Amino acid sequence: GNSVTQMEGPVTLSEEAFLTINCTYTATGYPSLFWYVQYPGEGLQLLLKATKADDKGSNKGFEATYRKETTSFHLEKGSVQVSDSAVYLCALNSGGSNYKLTFGKGTLLTVNP
Amino acid sequence: EAQVTQNPRYLITVTGKKLTVTCSQNMNHEYMSWYRQDPGLGLRQIYYSMNVEVTDKGDVPEGYKVSRKEKRNFPLILESPSPNQTSLYFCASSFSLVVSNTEAFFGQGTRLTVV
Repeated sequence: GNSVTQMEGPVTLSEEAFLTINCTYTATGYPSLFWYVQYPGEGLQLLLKATKADDKGSNKGFEATYRKETTSFHLEKGSVQVSDSAVYLCALNSGGSNYKLTFGKGTLLTVNP
Repeated sequence: EAQVTQNPRYLITVTGKKLTVTCSQNMNHEYMSWYRQDPGLGLRQIYYSMNVEVTDKGDVPEGYKVSRKEKRNFPLILESPSPNQTSLYFCASSFSLVVSNTEAFFGQGTRLTVV
């Protein structure tokens, strides 16, 4: 079955530092890949997505590139802010008969001023 | 505003006392699902529904029931809650997950404590 592995947290950075959160996956077919963000006390919301190999999703300064050869979808941001402190979850959906959102365990990011 | 609304946000209850967590969406979505989120275990799907009157088990259905009598509502029922059901619960909806790039929309969560 499908699975998502993302780096264990927590991750603590200073403001303006570079962020990478690793995500790798195992999936049948050609999944779409997602990053969701969960701010404290809130539900999950879509941060970005990519639907095919070499696609780059981007939003709010965050980027992730769909790498089929390495089955990866690492999240990056060049300069984090305190307001980026949240839990980040990588997810995939193969669609079709294998429709289901499969999530990684999440990575807690704390950004200090 | 497009949204998924869960109620209540916080609930403390005692073992064995039946409870219902409500979920409603205003986007005319066909697909709805329930997850629980636990430290170290991530998000696990409890039940899902492809459409009205169509529900199926997810990865951790034991101890839970659901119903889908109307398209917009998908309540989660705990007939006899136990302490191991203490968790953070999320309801989600989407147009259809059969299309792989479909976005899911989540409620704000219900933090349940069973004592």
